[in-house]
Amino acid sequence: DQQVKQNSPSLSVQEGRISILNCDYTNSMFDYFLWYKKYPAEGPTFLISISSIKDKNEDGRFTVFLNKSAKHLSLHIVPSQPGDSAVYFCAASDRVQGAQKLVFGQGTRLTINP
Amino acid sequence: GAVVSQHPSWVICKSGTSVKIECRSLDFQATTMFWYRQFPKQSLMLMATSNEGSKATYEQGVEKDKFLINHASLTLSTLTVTSAHPEDSSFYICSAWVPGELFFGEGSRLTVL
Repeated sequence: DQQVKQNSPSLSVQEGRISILNCDYTNSMFDYFLWYKKYPAEGPTFLISISSIKDKNEDGRFTVFLNKSAKHLSLHIVPSQPGDSAVYFCAASDRVQGAQKLVFGQGTRLTINP
Repeated sequence: GAVVSQHPSWVICKSGTSVKIECRSLDFQATTMFWYRQFPKQSLMLMATSNEGSKATYEQGVEKDKFLINHASLTLSTLTVTSAHPEDSSFYICSAWVPGELFFGEGSRLTVL
C-alpha cells in the first residue's frame, strides 16, 4: 500500500519556466511533509518542508503548497534552472512516528531543458 | 549543516559473501540512524531504525538475520548484508536525525555477482 504517491515519473520543463511537482497521500495522520532532491548515486538532500497547520511555505525559488482536504501537496520551482534537473521525492511523517521516520513517494525525475 | 558519510560508495562482491557498509555522523552525535534501500526508479524504502546501544527496529518484511545492523557508538552505524545474493543488489542509504531535519549519507551501491 503506497501511502505517498508521485504519479508522474518524469517531467520536462523549459529553463526559466515554472516546474510543478505533485504528490498525493492517503494517511490522514501525516502532519509533516518534506521534499528532497536526489542526484544519481548520491543521497537525498533536503529542500523544503511544510507542517500540516500551514498551506504554503516558501524558500527562495521553492514553494510548497499543501491541500489537506485533497491530501495533496505540490512543489513549485520558479524560475527553473538546469541545475534543478534531478529526481525529487516527497516524504511524509506522522506524530506517532515522528518527523524522522519518513514515508517516501516514488520520485519524479525533473529535466530542465536549456 | 550536519554531515553524514557512508563507506564504501561502491562495492561489488560475489554471491554468498558478506558486505559491511558504514554510516558515520561526522560533526554531531546521532542516537538514531535510519537505513533505506532504493531499487532503480523506485522509492526509498525504510529498512530499519538503528538505535545506539540497543537492537535495531526492522520494518515489516526486512530480514533481520540478513541485514545486520549495529549502532555501537553515537557516530557510527553499520549495515552488514550477510550471504549476499544478486537480488540484494541495490542502493543503500543511511540517514541521521538532527532535531528538525533528517540528513542523508551519500549512499552505497552494492552489486552482487
